[in-house]
Amino acid sequence: GESVGLHLPTLSVQEGDNSIINCAYSNSASDYFIWYKQESGKGPQFIIDIRSNMDKRQGQRVTVLLNKTVKHLSLQIAATQPGDSAVYFCAENPPYSGAGSYQLTFGKGTKLSVIP
Amino acid sequence: DTAVSQTPKYLVTQMGNDKSIKCEQNLGHDTMYWYKQDSKKFLKIMFSYNNKELIINETVPNRFSPKSPDKAHLNLHINSLELGDSAVYFCASSQRQGGPYGYTFGSGTRLTVV
Repeated sequence: GESVGLHLPTLSVQEGDNSIINCAYSNSASDYFIWYKQESGKGPQFIIDIRSNMDKRQGQRVTVLLNKTVKHLSLQIAATQPGDSAVYFCAENPPYSGAGSYQLTFGKGTKLSVIP
Repeated sequence: DTAVSQTPKYLVTQMGNDKSIKCEQNLGHDTMYWYKQDSKKFLKIMFSYNNKELIINETVPNRFSPKSPDKAHLNLHINSLELGDSAVYFCASSQRQGGPYGYTFGSGTRLTVV
């Protein structure tokens, strides 16, 4: 199940099941979105990206869905494995409007725990 | 070869000290960044440099100063360290030309101020 609140949201799934991690982004004009995976003691690692002119993109075992109407992004992981245990971040890129605005803004993160 | 490398990986220091964290990227990217990650894993942009020009400076105390000797390096210098500076600091790089593109992150520097 998923828990939210003051602590990092956590999603626990059984090995072999599919995982869905959700993210609400803030800027309706953002044109590029990325999912990152951060394992313990490491830096965030690029998983998959999607541009605003698409609503779905598939990678190896991962799918990103973009719903611009409700500013929602999701990451689906098929056949979740113990190695998928990590913190997952969504990030949005607002449109460039001059110096000081070109940056990725990260969401709060979701911790995925895979139960063997 | 490590794409984005930062040193040291761990840094323990006393309040009031001055310290630096180094970052180097060998990806040929034109923009580099520093992010701070707090205990709740929230990642917040601190600085970015594009072609040696500071283009972002969020509400970061002026005790923090980025220094970029060349396009491949962006070091972070911190003066008069405070307890609240304890966090994990990540360096990242990206290519802006033709972008946007995702960032490549280093493995982080865990700073502990005692």
